[in-house]
Amino acid sequence: DGGITQSPKYLFRKEGQNVTLSCEQNLNHDAMYWYRQDPGQGLRLIYYSQIVNDFQKGDIAEGYSVSREKKESFPLTVTSAQKNPTAFYLCASTALAGGPLFTDTQYFGPGTRLTVL
Amino acid sequence: QQQVKQSPQSLIVQKGGISIINCAYENTAFDYFPWYQQFPGKGPALLIAIRPDVSEKKEGRFTISFNKSAKQFSLHIMDSQPGDSATYFCAARRRNAGNMLTFGGGTRLMVKP
Repeated sequence: DGGITQSPKYLFRKEGQNVTLSCEQNLNHDAMYWYRQDPGQGLRLIYYSQIVNDFQKGDIAEGYSVSREKKESFPLTVTSAQKNPTAFYLCASTALAGGPLFTDTQYFGPGTRLTVL
Repeated sequence: QQQVKQSPQSLIVQKGGISIINCAYENTAFDYFPWYQQFPGKGPALLIAIRPDVSEKKEGRFTISFNKSAKQFSLHIMDSQPGDSATYFCAARRRNAGNMLTFGGGTRLMVKP
């Protein structure tokens, strides 16, 4: 059963605490992405990685960190420097290889809802 | 140039009616245009997608119309059902930028019974 899994589904953080959100995929996808979604809002890119041991900042990387030690895994750490972390976090992945008619796109996990207490 | 503008922000349609959501883009480097459907508390799911060399793609009750010269594309939901009530996002992909997606702002669709 292929797909993208995120855990936990719900996460509560105390102020000043770092928390790590898990994202795993068994689709053999090359690239992985983290997005943040606030209530009633669109998707904002936090970080992305196209290859193991390499990643780039997205539009709102401040207060977040990532690692990509394995192709299947792309964990996101929300640090205490992120002042307003309450949001819905989405992980996505996609294959990168393909010819001129390559039509693959990003597939999303079920999300993690993070709440600051 | 990176923006994808989506309208309307919200839409109310009677059951059996046609829902139409529009998107416009500027960057000609975009090479694939997916639509995602998101239910509350869930991740977005790929609904339907189109290449820019195709003017229309239909899958069941869902149709994408694509106008390359106008840089516009739209999603039509025929015979809209209450179960279609969700938020819809259009997106535009740049394959030469690692399959990065630029998303529209989303449309919240409510289909009334």
